[in-house]
Amino acid sequence: EAQVTQNPRYLITVTGKKLTVTCSQNMNHEYMSWYRQDPGLGLRQIYYSMNVEVTDKGDVPEGYKVSRKEKRNFPLILESPSPNQTSLYFCASSWTGSFNQPQHFGDGTRLSIL
Amino acid sequence: AQSVTQLGSHVSVSEGALVLLRCNYSSSVPPYLFWYVQYPNQGLQLLLKYTTGATLVKGINGFEAEFKKSETSFHLTKPSAHMSDAAEYFCAVSHSGGSNYKLTFGKGTLLTVNP
Repeated sequence: EAQVTQNPRYLITVTGKKLTVTCSQNMNHEYMSWYRQDPGLGLRQIYYSMNVEVTDKGDVPEGYKVSRKEKRNFPLILESPSPNQTSLYFCASSWTGSFNQPQHFGDGTRLSIL
Repeated sequence: AQSVTQLGSHVSVSEGALVLLRCNYSSSVPPYLFWYVQYPNQGLQLLLKYTTGATLVKGINGFEAEFKKSETSFHLTKPSAHMSDAAEYFCAVSHSGGSNYKLTFGKGTLLTVNP
């Protein structure tokens, strides 16, 4: 089954404790992206990757890191999480970076930073 | 910069009634437009998309949307609401932001369906 898989689905942690949210897709997609969803704000892009070893900042990259060493994986890293990073996070992928390609989303990761 | 406005953060309809969710966009270039649906505790699923060609686009679950360039709108409709349609709906526009294929989302409209 074609899917984007995120782990963990839920995480409660404390300020300053490094964490990684994994994202994996099995569709051989070139393009991957991370979003955060906050009430009343919709989805905002954090980082994206056009292909392996190619990443760039989205609209709200502060406090986050990413890497793309393999085509299928695109982990999101919070080196020193803070409470304002409490949010619902989505990973998405698409065939290419063409702007007529729909994106496929994971089921989300709900992070609570205390 | 491109933007998307969804009018009404919450829409409530009766089962069997018409569903109309409004979306307006701003774009300096021809846009590609999408509607996504998010069910509770799930990710976003593509409902339909407009890229080129016919301006009336049909999607899954009986939804359709019409691209109206003169009104910069892409409203989502369904003739008869079903209880299973209760979800949050997001309109999105894509554009070339430098080298980035970027989706800009509206803030979402929560649809509730009353029996």
